[in-house]
Amino acid sequence: DAMVIQNPRYQVTQFGKPVTLSCSQTLNHNVMYWYQQKSSQAPKLLFHYYDKDFNNEADTPDNFQSRRPNTSFCFLDIRSPGLGDAAMYLCATSRDNRDQPQHFGDGTRLSIL
Amino acid sequence: AQSVAQPEDQVNVAEGNPLTVKCTYSVSGNPYLFWYVQYPNRGLQFLLKYITGDNLVKGSYGFEAEFNKSQTSFHLKKPSALVSDSALYFCAVRPESYIPTFGRGTSLIVHP
Repeated sequence: DAMVIQNPRYQVTQFGKPVTLSCSQTLNHNVMYWYQQKSSQAPKLLFHYYDKDFNNEADTPDNFQSRRPNTSFCFLDIRSPGLGDAAMYLCATSRDNRDQPQHFGDGTRLSIL
Repeated sequence: AQSVAQPEDQVNVAEGNPLTVKCTYSVSGNPYLFWYVQYPNRGLQFLLKYITGDNLVKGSYGFEAEFNKSQTSFHLKKPSALVSDSALYFCAVRPESYIPTFGRGTSLIVHP
């Protein structure tokens, strides 16, 4: 089945130690999103790619970076994680049509020691 | 600016009873409305959408939603709740682009 896969499902890192989360898709969708979700709150959009074009949300901290080397893969890099960055990180994909739903991976739960 | 509101943080319902999870929106132009469900430690899953046409939309797992333009609402409903329906539900709107705006979510708890 076509899907969105996130690895790892659980990630533990130390305060200030860089960490990379990965997302892959077999849906061939041109838009990929990264969301941060805390404590059953609404997902907060960090940034998204429209094809290779990177779109950063205005309030996304500089600590968060992203790479999309090809259509299928997207990475979230947290350069110096702080305690406040502990959260669930969700990757999603969609076509660039308003009427098509997003497809989400099962997320990576990040813990900071 | 577009917005979507889910006025209830939590909805409690007994198994077998009908359930409603409320959503209201504020957009200019035609709203494209979606419902998603999130089970613990999982991503969001698409349930149903309203784009145009019939105001009653049917979706996955027996859920349906009613679009009401005059009340700017898109409430999620199910005739008979199951304990397994207990989850977090998000309403979303896409007013002018492919970027959605999510409601804050409603926790549905179905009691045996």
